[in-house]
Amino acid sequence: NAGVMQNPRHLVRRRGQEARLRCSPMKGHSHVYWYRQLPEEGLKFMVYLQKENIIDESGMPKERFSAEFPKEGPSILRIQQVVRGDSAAYFCASSPALNYGYTFGSGTRLTVV
Amino acid sequence: DQQVKQNSPSLSVQEGRISILNCDYTNSMFDYFLWYKKYPAEGPTFLISISSIKDKNEDGRFTVFLNKSAKHLSLHIVPSQPGDSAVYFCAAETQGGSEKLVFGKGTKLTVNP
Repeated sequence: NAGVMQNPRHLVRRRGQEARLRCSPMKGHSHVYWYRQLPEEGLKFMVYLQKENIIDESGMPKERFSAEFPKEGPSILRIQQVVRGDSAAYFCASSPALNYGYTFGSGTRLTVV
Repeated sequence: DQQVKQNSPSLSVQEGRISILNCDYTNSMFDYFLWYKKYPAEGPTFLISISSIKDKNEDGRFTVFLNKSAKHLSLHIVPSQPGDSAVYFCAAETQGGSEKLVFGKGTKLTVNP
C-alpha cells in the first residue's frame, strides 16, 4: 500500500518559468491538502481539495498559484512565473475523509534560480 | 501573526533521559492539537494528538499534556532514544472546518548516545 507520492522530489526552475508539482494520494483517499514550508519556518496550509472541487483555498497566494484534483490522475499544484521567494518545500497530504487525520508525502523541493 | 509558537528552536538530551518539547498557542478556537515528527528530506509523520476536552494523552513513550487555561501543551518523550532525533512540530486545528492545520516552526531534538 503505497503512501502519498509526490513528484518530482526536486525541481529547479528559472525565474519566470512555470512549476508543476504532482501529488498522488493514498489509495482510497479523496481529500488532498497542500502545505508549503519556507526555510526555517513551519508548514503553512495552502489549499484543501476533494475530487474535482476546491474546498478551502484560504492559504493560496492570490496570484500565480492554482491547484486542481481531477476525477482521474494526481492533484497538481501549479505556480506560474516563479520568483525566488517561491523556493520552498511543498508537501501534499491525503485523507480518506474529514477527521480521519492525514498522511503526508515526502515533499517537492522547489528551487528558483 | 504566529498562532502556534515553539519557542525553542533546538533541544539536546542524553539517551535515556526525558525530552520535553513545549508549544504555546494564541487562538482560543483551537480544539485539537497534534505533534508531528520530521526527518530531513521526508514529510512529517503523525506522532500523537489530544483533544481540548482532555488534559493528557499517552502512547507508549510519548505523552502530550494540555493546559487550556495557559494555552500551552507539551510533549514528553521518556526514555529518549537516539532514533528520536528529528524536528518536532506542534500543530493545531479547529474541528468542524476543513481540518487545516496551523503549525509551529518546530524544535530540533538531538538525543545523544
